Amino acid sequence: DVKVTQSSRYLVKRTGEKVFLECVQDMDHENMFWYRQDPGLGLRLIYFSYDVKMKEKGDIPEGYSVSREKKERFSLILESASTNQTSMYLCASSFSSSVVSGYTFGSGTRLTVV
Amino acid sequence: AQSVTQLDSQVPVFEEAPVELRCNYSSSVSVYLFWYVQYPNQGLQLLLKYLSGSTLVKGINGFEAEFNKSQTSFHLRKPSVHISDTAEYFCAVSGGSNYKLTFGKGTLLTVNP
Repeated sequence: DVKVTQSSRYLVKRTGEKVFLECVQDMDHENMFWYRQDPGLGLRLIYFSYDVKMKEKGDIPEGYSVSREKKERFSLILESASTNQTSMYLCASSFSSSVVSGYTFGSGTRLTVV
Repeated sequence: AQSVTQLDSQVPVFEEAPVELRCNYSSSVSVYLFWYVQYPNQGLQLLLKYLSGSTLVKGINGFEAEFNKSQTSFHLRKPSVHISDTAEYFCAVSGGSNYKLTFGKGTLLTVNP
C-alpha cells in the first residue's frame, strides 16, 4: 500500500523553539506539499517542492521554511515557533506531470505551541 | 487563477437520508475536479474525481458527483447516508497549473441516528 508518512501524530513545543516536521513518501512522486488546516479556513498551502532541492512558496509561507534533500523526504521547519502556528499540518505528494491521479495525503501532525 | 466555494460549512442529516454537498468553482481554463474526505484525526483521502467525459462521476462508499459546466458546479451526493459517513468533505480544483490543487474550506457532514 502506497504511503505518505508523517513522523509525529501529536507534538507539543514551546514558543521560540525550532520545530521540524518530517514527511516521507514511498511512491517516487516528484511533487510534495505542506498544508496547514484550521477550522473554518480549510487547507492552506505553505510550501511545495517539485524536485529535489527545489521549492516554491505557497499562500502562507511566513514563519516557515522547507528542505528537500532527497526525493522521498520533505521537511517543514518552524524557525521560531509561535502560538499562532498551533494547527494541524498535512503533507501530500503527487506525480509532476499531471494532477489527474490527485494527491496522496499523510495522516497529519497536530502541533500545539505553548 | 482558480477558486472553490463550498456553500455549506456544516450539513447535519439523519441516517438513511439523502445528502448533497455543494461546490462551486471558478477558473478561466478547463478544470479537473476532486472530492476528498477526511475522517476524524486522519488525513484526506480521494473520494472521486472528474477529468473529462461523462459528467456523472461515481466514487467510493456510494458517493457520486455531477459536473455542471454551465453552472460551474460539482456537487457531491449520496442517496442514503450512514453514521460512518460522518466526516469533513473537501472539494478541490486544478486548472491552469497542471500539478496544483486549490481546496475549498470544507463541509462537515454529521449523520445522526
